[in-house]
Amino acid sequence: EAGVVQSPRYKIIEKKQPVAFWCNPISGHNTLYWYRQNLGQGPELLIRYENEEAVDDSQLPKDRFSAERLKGVDSTLKIQPAELGDSAVYLCASSLVGAYQETQYFGPGTRLLVL
Amino acid sequence: SQQGEEDPQALSIQEGENATMNCSYKTSINNLQWYRQNSGRGLVHLILIRSNEREKHSGRLRVTLDTSKKSSSLLITASRAADTASYFCATDAGNYGQNFVFGPGTRLSVLP
Repeated sequence: EAGVVQSPRYKIIEKKQPVAFWCNPISGHNTLYWYRQNLGQGPELLIRYENEEAVDDSQLPKDRFSAERLKGVDSTLKIQPAELGDSAVYLCASSLVGAYQETQYFGPGTRLLVL
Repeated sequence: SQQGEEDPQALSIQEGENATMNCSYKTSINNLQWYRQNSGRGLVHLILIRSNEREKHSGRLRVTLDTSKKSSSLLITASRAADTASYFCATDAGNYGQNFVFGPGTRLSVLP
């Protein structure tokens, strides 16, 4: 079974440019998460989807970040415009949420460098 | 805000030794999970322990949970060089379906 797929793996852009990340979760997983991980820190949740509904986007900087999961399967996270402080690893995870099913499966992440 | 905090921040041991790392949290929980992250990779789930459990084992891993002290420990026995990674605890906030919050992690180095 394929794991969580993310692309691209690496991205270097100049500040003020837009950037987009794509995630395909494990087949059948209804919940999808986007995290940001700064160097030496744990992942911080940006947004959580249950199917196509964003059920928690309280930590998403909505002035420049947007996300979508149109058909409840794959998802795109966008930053426009990017700032220097956005340099980080962006992780996507999926899970099959229900009673006693909270394990999250992570993709390899997209490493973003904003110059 | 961080719910869980791992301790120590970094740990260096020799192959074959045991490694113990701790996680403290602030509010009551339903579940606590431990994850491993190798350099440049995504996180891998290791073990989940529920609030009504005190200890769980998985291979060379042993996790304990003390809800009265709001703390958990992860013990890796007979460590190997391949165990070199960062280890994170993740806690919920007491409601099923709630998000898990990750601590800053413990960076473990196992020297051959």
